[in-house]
Amino acid sequence: QKEVEQNSGPLSVPEGAIASLNCTYSDRVSQSFFWYRQYSGKSPELIMSIYSNGDKEDGRFTAQLNKASQYVSLLIRDSQPSDSATYLCAVNMGGAGNQFYFGTGTSLTVIP
Amino acid sequence: NAGVTQTPKFRILKIGQSMTLQCTQDMNHNYMYWYRQDPGMGLKLIYYSVGAGITDKGEVPNGYNVSRSTTEDFPLRLELAAPSQTSVYFCATTGYPSYEQYFGPGTRLTVT
Repeated sequence: QKEVEQNSGPLSVPEGAIASLNCTYSDRVSQSFFWYRQYSGKSPELIMSIYSNGDKEDGRFTAQLNKASQYVSLLIRDSQPSDSATYLCAVNMGGAGNQFYFGTGTSLTVIP
Repeated sequence: NAGVTQTPKFRILKIGQSMTLQCTQDMNHNYMYWYRQDPGMGLKLIYYSVGAGITDKGEVPNGYNVSRSTTEDFPLRLELAAPSQTSVYFCATTGYPSYEQYFGPGTRLTVT
């Protein structure tokens, strides 16, 4: 059974703080990892992709990948109220159709 | 570039009715997917396609059918709608070599 697990939250942080979102996955051979942001009533929006062990930074977002531990995380620095959303972790576990497996999401609220 | 477009945005069906959800992409991607998202349940894969003329079942295909006659279009057919098919439906595409997945705006379907 291929699984992607996230803490469902909700996670609340004050404005300006660092929000830390975590995700684990079951398939050791997975190669591609993604973070999506989903506002209420909207579709998932890709915010980060990471393929190699280590950190990848894009503006206020940093994705961290540790394949040995089967763990991927997303850090949001200087959190803003506009970051309040559900964050979905997605793993491309390959196979026929390059299927993605999604976690159920972590709800983040940034308190002004 | 419109990316991924879906129609309709909203639809109410009576039990037993049929309908087709339309999905069109202008990203020239071979991979296309249909997901449903129920509250708190994450994204479930219904069907996917790796190219024109090639489709396959995902995790929850029962009650649905698809076709892929062109690269651009991937319609999802609901036959004999049931209340259990009340959900938000997302179409997505994945490109090569990034394997980043991009979503359409979604169709909110209610079956009563």
